[in-house]
Amino acid sequence: DVKVTQSSRYLVKRTGEKVFLECVQDMDHENMFWYRQDPGLGLRLIYFSYDVKMKEKGDIPEGYSVSREKKERFSLILESASTNQTSMYLCASRGPHGYEQYFGPGTRLTVT
Amino acid sequence: GQSLEQPSEVTAVEGAIVQINCTYQTSGFYGLSWYQQHDGGAPTFLSYNALDGLEETGRFSSFLSRSDSYGYLLLQELQMKDSASYFCAGGDDYKLSFGAGTTVTVRA
Repeated sequence: DVKVTQSSRYLVKRTGEKVFLECVQDMDHENMFWYRQDPGLGLRLIYFSYDVKMKEKGDIPEGYSVSREKKERFSLILESASTNQTSMYLCASRGPHGYEQYFGPGTRLTVT
Repeated sequence: GQSLEQPSEVTAVEGAIVQINCTYQTSGFYGLSWYQQHDGGAPTFLSYNALDGLEETGRFSSFLSRSDSYGYLLLQELQMKDSASYFCAGGDDYKLSFGAGTTVTVRA
């Protein structure tokens, strides 16, 4: 079974802090994704990566950056956290020929 | 990008059939996926339609009509454990856009 893990289930940070969210997958998938999920808005794509050191902006990249130094790990970085970044953050991975995305359990981030 | 619309909530009784519609506007579209998410859980994949027509997987079926930019998820013989949010998703080879989700509540 594919396993996608995220570093924290719950995180509380202060405005202006730099925040790192880590995601690791164990299936050697090329493609990895970061989404945020807000009530009534569904899942919105922040960034994705189709290979090591490769990244592409999703639909809402402002205020975020990402890092993919190793194939199994994809990090989301909030350079200076703001209260409007309070949300559930979901990481996902997908194989090169598949359409199914496998999601991690999510990190609920609160910025105060 | 994509824009996908689906109803916000549906309520039905155990044993009933529920159809969740999804309409989409696309700029590059490979197929339509459906995901289920229980409260507090991660989204899990249910089905994918690349071609027009019906795909059946047990009690769940999914349909796609590219000419109508429309699809649906059909939940049959509803059970209490089917109470969850259901998302349609569509996109190109890398980027998936999701609908806002339909909350299905199953009553005894």
